[in-house]
Amino acid sequence: NAGVMQNPRHLVRRRGQEARLRCSPMKGHSHVYWYRQLPEEGLKFMVYLQKENIIDESGMPKERFSAEFPKEGPSILRIQQVVRGDSAAYFCASSSADNTEAFFGQGTRLTVV
Amino acid sequence: QQQVKQSPQSLIVQKGGISIINCAYENTAFDYFPWYQQFPGKGPALLIAIRPDVSEKKEGRFTISFNKSAKQFSLHIMDSQPGDSATYFCAASTSGGSNYKLTFGKGTLLTVNP
Repeated sequence: NAGVMQNPRHLVRRRGQEARLRCSPMKGHSHVYWYRQLPEEGLKFMVYLQKENIIDESGMPKERFSAEFPKEGPSILRIQQVVRGDSAAYFCASSSADNTEAFFGQGTRLTVV
Repeated sequence: QQQVKQSPQSLIVQKGGISIINCAYENTAFDYFPWYQQFPGKGPALLIAIRPDVSEKKEGRFTISFNKSAKQFSLHIMDSQPGDSATYFCAASTSGGSNYKLTFGKGTLLTVNP
């Protein structure tokens, strides 16, 4: 019974490149959330998705960031033209339809050089 | 604007002692207050959670105390063990008791010395 799977665990990108972070929710979970954790900060909500729908993207930066959760396959968080300030740990969480508990993955640590 | 303030930033406790972490919130619409435990290199894991209709919840060595009028809640770890050494985050949400759109505190790094 695998938990929330995120890959890659570590990602290094040069400024201006694109970063793609993947999240496979727990089996049976249809809700996915992305959070960002800056050094010595708590996690900050970015976006909430259900299959093929973005429910709430109020925490997403207005430019360069996008997220999707297709009918088949993992959820993807895409960051275009990365800058050094994008360096952070990005966590995905998933929950079932009743939203009573969200389980977090181990995160992707993005480093922009 | 930080909606959930957590203190202390770091805490050192001797084995067998009591660890206490405090959080204060501003948004009176918050109705769900979970605590998460995070080990280095891992994702946060739900430890214990409370809703505002109760003032205390206990699970094993972990207890949440909730003061609605003061808009404060705290985590108490009794008989602290070295294995409890981790970063602890309080959080809050307004989504009817769900984990949707959690607002996190900045975390407390707990070290339990043997």
